[in-house]
Amino acid sequence: AQKITQTQPGMFVQEKEAVTLDCTYDTSDPSYGLFWYKQPSSGEMIFLIYQGSYDQQNATEGRYSLNFQKARKSANLVISASQLGDSAMYFCAMRESWMDSSYKLIFGSGTRLLVRP
Amino acid sequence: KAGVTQTPRYLIKTRGQQVTLSCSPISGHRSVSWYQQTPGQGLQFLFEYFSETQRNKGNFPGRFSGRQFSNSRSEMNVSTLELGDSALYLCASSTGPGETQYFGPGTRLLVL
Repeated sequence: AQKITQTQPGMFVQEKEAVTLDCTYDTSDPSYGLFWYKQPSSGEMIFLIYQGSYDQQNATEGRYSLNFQKARKSANLVISASQLGDSAMYFCAMRESWMDSSYKLIFGSGTRLLVRP
Repeated sequence: KAGVTQTPRYLIKTRGQQVTLSCSPISGHRSVSWYQQTPGQGLQFLFEYFSETQRNKGNFPGRFSGRQFSNSRSEMNVSTLELGDSALYLCASSTGPGETQYFGPGTRLLVL
C-alpha cells in the first residue's frame, strides 16, 4: 500500500529565514505524483507545488521549492524567506492510481509551521 | 476564475439525521473528489466523480453516498448520522482524473 510520512508534527521558523518540511513516501507504482498543500486555520487546502515521478528537475513555485530525491523516496518542501502568513498546516500528498484510471490523493499527517516575528 | 465553492459552510445535526453537502467545481473542471478530515484519522478519501460516474470510493460505510450532475456539480449525502461523522468535509475539483486537485473551503459538520 502506498504511504506518506511526515515526521515533524510541528516546527518553528524565524521570519525571513528558510525552512524545510520533510516528506517521505512509499510506492511500487513507477508513475506517481507528489503534492504539497497548505491549510490555514480557515480550513481550505491551498495547492502549493507538484512534482511528477518522471520530472528531471525539482519543481519550484515562487518561494516554494520541492527537494525531490527519488532514490531516497523523499519530497521535502522548502519555503524560502518565511513570512508570518506562512503559519499553517502543511500536507504532503501522493496521487495513487487505480486500475481504471481513477485517482485519489493519500495525505500525510501534516506539519504545523509557526513563523516567529 | 471562481474557486471551488461548498455549501453550507457549517452544519449542526443530531444523531440519526441525514445531511446533504454540495460542491460546485471550478468552471471547466469535470472531476470532483471528496475527502473527510478529522483530528484522529486525518484526511481520508471518500469518492471521486468524473462525467457523472463514481470512479473510486474510499473505505467508508454505505451511509456515505454521492452523485455528480451533468454540470459537474456534486453532492454527498450521509444518512443515519453518527457522532464520529463530525468532521471537515472537503471537496476538490480538477480538469480530469489524476490532474492537480483544487480544494474548496470545506463544510464543517458537527453531529450532536
